[in-house]
Amino acid sequence: DTGVSQNPRHKITKRGQNVTFRCDPISEHNRLYWYRQTLGQGPEFLTYFQNEAQLEKSRLLSDRFSAERPKGSFSTLEIQRTEQGDSAMYLCASSGRGVLTDTQYFGPGTRLTVL
Amino acid sequence: GESVGLHLPTLSVQEGDNSIINCAYSNSASDYFIWYKQESGKGPQFIIDIRSNMDKRQGQRVTVLLNKTVKHLSLQIAATQPGDSAVYFCAERAYFGNEKLTFGTGTRLTIIP
Repeated sequence: DTGVSQNPRHKITKRGQNVTFRCDPISEHNRLYWYRQTLGQGPEFLTYFQNEAQLEKSRLLSDRFSAERPKGSFSTLEIQRTEQGDSAMYLCASSGRGVLTDTQYFGPGTRLTVL
Repeated sequence: GESVGLHLPTLSVQEGDNSIINCAYSNSASDYFIWYKQESGKGPQFIIDIRSNMDKRQGQRVTVLLNKTVKHLSLQIAATQPGDSAVYFCAERAYFGNEKLTFGTGTRLTIIP
């Protein structure tokens, strides 16, 4: 499978715990995005990387959230001290290198449930 | 500010008929639009995209129309099949170089056998 992959697919945690999600983009893509989606809503942008550089962060990305892409390949999204309001689907997407390769391809998502 | 909205939250169509899903956007500077299909428990799946210098683009059984005058986007699906049942989202990019996509809340399309 050469698409975007995300792990784990599901995560249940207790409030106050830290969680980390991983995203592996399509191999030739240099741009990587994180979105969050709550039930019945469209995805909301969280942050974006070009290679290893984090170029944009949404106001939704509070201090408890941190994302990294250390070698410009896979990325991790960590949520510290989880709250019930963090329960959502966390989606990763990637896109290509060229000017006209804007299409963002999404992974299957990680569904987080905070108890 | 930027917003992307959909006129109808649900749409039911008889199998074999054509369907049209509509989307309104408010940012006249948006330069790129994209339609995604999302099935339950899965990530959004790319369907078709269009740039602001185009009015129409066709794919396999799908056509996207862009009316910049009234800031309206539509997705036409021809000869609908049961597998087309899903939630459809339109998304826009504010301008070239801004990689963030802004999504609407989605339209649920149900194909009636």
